[in-house]
Amino acid sequence: AQSVAQPEDQVNVAEGNPLTVKCTYSVSGNPYLFWYVQYPNRGLQFLLKYITGDNLVKGSYGFEAEFNKSQTSFHLKKPSALVSDSALYFCAVRDPTSGTYKYIFGTGTRLKVLA
Amino acid sequence: EPEVTQTPSHQVTQMGQEVILRCVPISNHLYFYWYRQILGQKVEFLVSFYNNEISEKSEIFDDQFSVERPDGSNFTLKIRSTKLEDSAMYFCASSDGGAGTDTQYFGPGTRLTVL
Repeated sequence: AQSVAQPEDQVNVAEGNPLTVKCTYSVSGNPYLFWYVQYPNRGLQFLLKYITGDNLVKGSYGFEAEFNKSQTSFHLKKPSALVSDSALYFCAVRDPTSGTYKYIFGTGTRLKVLA
Repeated sequence: EPEVTQTPSHQVTQMGQEVILRCVPISNHLYFYWYRQILGQKVEFLVSFYNNEISEKSEIFDDQFSVERPDGSNFTLKIRSTKLEDSAMYFCASSDGGAGTDTQYFGPGTRLTVL
């Protein structure tokens, strides 16, 4: 069965420091992977996705993520965190071999960037 | 930038009442989805809709739920007789076509509270 794990409920990082938000997945085939961010009272905003090709994917607001097939991970990273990056981050996976378009989401990680 | 919109932002209802949650997907999108998030839990897939019919639904999407695209712009989720456990944030999403690699774009959500 498809699943996504975000092992950290919350990540705290000082402004200007690099940040990492972790995501691991389990699907039977080659996954499509996504990161979304949710600010208070807003919807899920798309950040980036991995479909195929280069394992390092760049997205909005300076975020990037690295697909690691051997570790079944897709960690979200940013070289220098901003206070405005504080939000709830969701990883999602879609298994293109499953015949389904639905996304499976992780439980979310709250990122707090401290000034 | 085009956005998915949802109304109302918050709906309070009594148990057993019918509710209709409304969504306006991005205008050139062809695939539509509903997800929900019970407080503190994962975002869960409910249903996908394409070409005026349901293409997939989850176990959660039982006979109490229905979806409709009543005109060229709206996409609705109806819950016929609400239960306490239907209290959740409901997200609408849309994607632009059948390439399979399309990104789903989410609305801001409707918070449904069943008393």
